[in-house]
Amino acid sequence: GAVVSQHPSRVICKSGTSVKIECRSLDFQATTMFWYRQFPKQSLMLMATSNEGSKATYEQGVEKDKFLINHASLTLSTLTVTSAHPEDSSFYICSANTGTGYSNQPQHFGDGTRLSIL
Amino acid sequence: EDQVTQSPEALRLQEGESSSLNCSYTVSGLRGLFWYRQDPGKGPEFLFTLYSAGEEKEKERLKATLTKKESFLHITAPKPEDSATYLCAAPSPGDSGYALNFGKGTSLLVTP
Repeated sequence: GAVVSQHPSRVICKSGTSVKIECRSLDFQATTMFWYRQFPKQSLMLMATSNEGSKATYEQGVEKDKFLINHASLTLSTLTVTSAHPEDSSFYICSANTGTGYSNQPQHFGDGTRLSIL
Repeated sequence: EDQVTQSPEALRLQEGESSSLNCSYTVSGLRGLFWYRQDPGKGPEFLFTLYSAGEEKEKERLKATLTKKESFLHITAPKPEDSATYLCAAPSPGDSGYALNFGKGTSLLVTP
């Protein structure tokens, strides 16, 4: 149980392109999902918290207009990187847990999306 | 400020050579300490949650323990397939939920 699926697994595109990443909870409902970014040889850093039916909350330093988050249902959150540039190249990972956002249940992660901007 | 610190950064073991990974934390009001395994190019895979000092959990060759200030991940007689990065994390309260505050991880390499 508690499977999180992320798609696509890899994207290579030109600078200026917008890229959408999907995160789905397959066998449970997730009112809250989390988006992380991981640069090479570094740990995961929280970008934003996605809430079903309301606006996402972003960490300090993360541009809301560049990283658009939509959490339209209890099983799907999307992250759109708008007008992507080479510095946005990174490994993007989503997670969710079976409780509410304030649950201390373990978070389960998708397999990540490797984004490469040329 | 909540902090999670892992050591060592990297560890190389021979197959069968047991060792321990350390995770020290300074978190106000611990809501659990989580251990994950991450393989290259993959998302973290959940291993254990520990909620209170003195608690221990085991899974195959791995055993996690927790004190009031740190957690250890003991690896007994490791095999090459145990090679991965091991991450520990503690929930950190935000405006919308408890995101995970991760340590930098320990990269473990087990050689035959």
